[in-house]
Amino acid sequence: DSGVTQTPKHLITATGQRVTLRCSPRSGDLSVYWYQQSLDQGLQFLIQYYNGEERAKGNILERFSAQQFPDLHSELNLSSLELGDSALYFCASSVGQGGRNQPQHFGDGTRLSIL
Amino acid sequence: KNEVEQSPQNLTAQEGEFITINCSYSVGISALHWLQQHPGGGIVSLFMLSSGKKKHGRLIATINIQEKHSSLHITASHPRDSAVYICAANDMRFGAGTRLTVKP
Repeated sequence: DSGVTQTPKHLITATGQRVTLRCSPRSGDLSVYWYQQSLDQGLQFLIQYYNGEERAKGNILERFSAQQFPDLHSELNLSSLELGDSALYFCASSVGQGGRNQPQHFGDGTRLSIL
Repeated sequence: KNEVEQSPQNLTAQEGEFITINCSYSVGISALHWLQQHPGGGIVSLFMLSSGKKKHGRLIATINIQEKHSSLHITASHPRDSAVYICAANDMRFGAGTRLTVKP
């Protein structure tokens, strides 16, 4: 058990809809990372938050947004969903703001299916 | 073109064999992660290394930052090692993964 909790585990919705994925980091971790894993693209980094502030941005679409709340949990909002957004979305956490040179602890992921 | 290249893409081994998975990257980094993704989808961070070698049980990871190359070795492989192994540069670029199947 990594200590990182993601909800929901599975989500099925239709094109054009909006969903929110939730992540609670491991106790004591201040950084949260979001990743997308699709069959054809592999793992891709979306965005990182550290203690409530955006720290780094990757290949995140404008239709997607994220935030980290004062209790350090994070939400990833996906809107105007397209078939290509079907993927596994992972959240990870690490202790410090650097994160890139620190081990990351991954949640079990949310499997999003767009019909 | 992926700037983090892994080889091989797929690997099948017999239980007990010594396994090597390679990772090369084209742009300089200061550290590299090795991840293990189980068949159920969960991801575990195996190693984060910036130089030399690290060992954890039957797993050994090495890196040569100057040559832009890292290897993950599994000694005495076991069917429970069957998983996808992914290398990740610390600038958040990922390899495509190596699917390892270890047969009893």
